[in-house]
Amino acid sequence: GQQLNQSPQSMFIQEGEDVSMNCTSSSIFNTWLWYKQEPGEGPVLLIALYKAGELTSNGRLTAQFGITRKDSFLNISASIPSDVGIYFCAGRRRTGNQFYFGTGTSLTVIP
Amino acid sequence: ETGVTQTPRHLVMGMTNKKSLKCEQHLGHNAMYWYKQSAKKPLELMFVYNFKEQTENNSVPSRFSPECPNSSHLFLHLHTLQPEDSALYLCASSQEAYNEQFFGPGTRLTVL
Repeated sequence: GQQLNQSPQSMFIQEGEDVSMNCTSSSIFNTWLWYKQEPGEGPVLLIALYKAGELTSNGRLTAQFGITRKDSFLNISASIPSDVGIYFCAGRRRTGNQFYFGTGTSLTVIP
Repeated sequence: ETGVTQTPRHLVMGMTNKKSLKCEQHLGHNAMYWYKQSAKKPLELMFVYNFKEQTENNSVPSRFSPECPNSSHLFLHLHTLQPEDSALYLCASSQEAYNEQFFGPGTRLTVL
């Protein structure tokens, strides 16, 4: 099946630092989603992207739909302890309906 | 209740047991999904229901049997599971099939 590669797999950062992570695929996607999952909970939708080059923000989070249509990026500015969790990307190809998920980036914020 | 709820949150069962997972969405959505989440692996789509009709079965073994009596409720019936079936089972819903999905908190299943 379709594989999405997320990097980095894990990050340990100081509170206040900015965070960048990305997701790449071998196929062209027409939709990218970013989710956050905290321990013991299901993924929560953060940002949805629908057009190549699109840049969308949700508070301190900003995500971009890569112009190649094969990647997406998520940035978190001025991280705080409650940003801790696993961040997943999900993408949907132009052909087909299913969303494919990445393996996640685990974020730890050190106060 | 708001959003997507799942019960039970934790379940331990033997290989010969029969149990059911329940999901309810309070969002007025038309599509519901079951996913399996295992450590270090991407979410695996299991089943998709759109307007109560199953539209996708992702080669899931028959020991998992879904049921969707209406657009708000989804069940996953389990019987004769294997230890490798231990995982977090997530339910999700979306306004229309294959749109952005909203997830429940999951059921942590352990098969002994």
